[in-house]
Amino acid sequence: DARVTQTPRDKVTEMGQEVTMRCQPILGHNTVFWYRQTMMQGLELLAYFRNRAPLDDSGMPKDRFSAEMPDATLATLKIQPSEPRDSAVYFCASGLAGPVETQYFGPGTRLLVL
Amino acid sequence: EDQVTQSPEALRLQEGESSSLNCSYTVSGLRGLFWYRQDPGKGPEFLFTLYSAGEEKEKERLKATLTKKESFLHITAPKPEDSATYLCAVLADWKLTFGQGTILTVHP
Repeated sequence: DARVTQTPRDKVTEMGQEVTMRCQPILGHNTVFWYRQTMMQGLELLAYFRNRAPLDDSGMPKDRFSAEMPDATLATLKIQPSEPRDSAVYFCASGLAGPVETQYFGPGTRLLVL
Repeated sequence: EDQVTQSPEALRLQEGESSSLNCSYTVSGLRGLFWYRQDPGKGPEFLFTLYSAGEEKEKERLKATLTKKESFLHITAPKPEDSATYLCAVLADWKLTFGQGTILTVHP
């Protein structure tokens, strides 16, 4: 049963600390998406990769967030420095690029910044 | 800008009481409309993709339909295990835009 995996599942940190979240997309998928979910804003797209290349990161606060794909099996989202307003659940999703692409979501990383 | 509005925000049903969830959208160049189910503490789980007006898809007690302006998720004789948040999303170009979701609670 192919699934997107994310680590850590939960993270509590203090304001100013660096946070790194990791995602392993489904084997064979060539697109990766990072989303943030909050009660107020719902699901917001942060970044989009296709074939490991970043195609869109317009939803990401550029000064503190960065997203990378070191290889086809790993995507990372970093926040440095973290702030309390970054507290949310961060989801990674993967898919196969095509005319109508289905995105498959991971279980999420719940981040709390104190 | 693409917009997706789901209603109602929350829906409480008795087991066996059928109902529908609504998803209204405005989008330039709709390529597909998606329904996802999300359980507490989990990621959204893919349910359906609808591609064009008039299309219908079914899965167990769920049936999704699509018109040019909205989609409905019909739930027939729901069970408590159908309780979840149901998310609608529209795909334009490569970007998926989500609605705020409908929280469904089914009481035994």
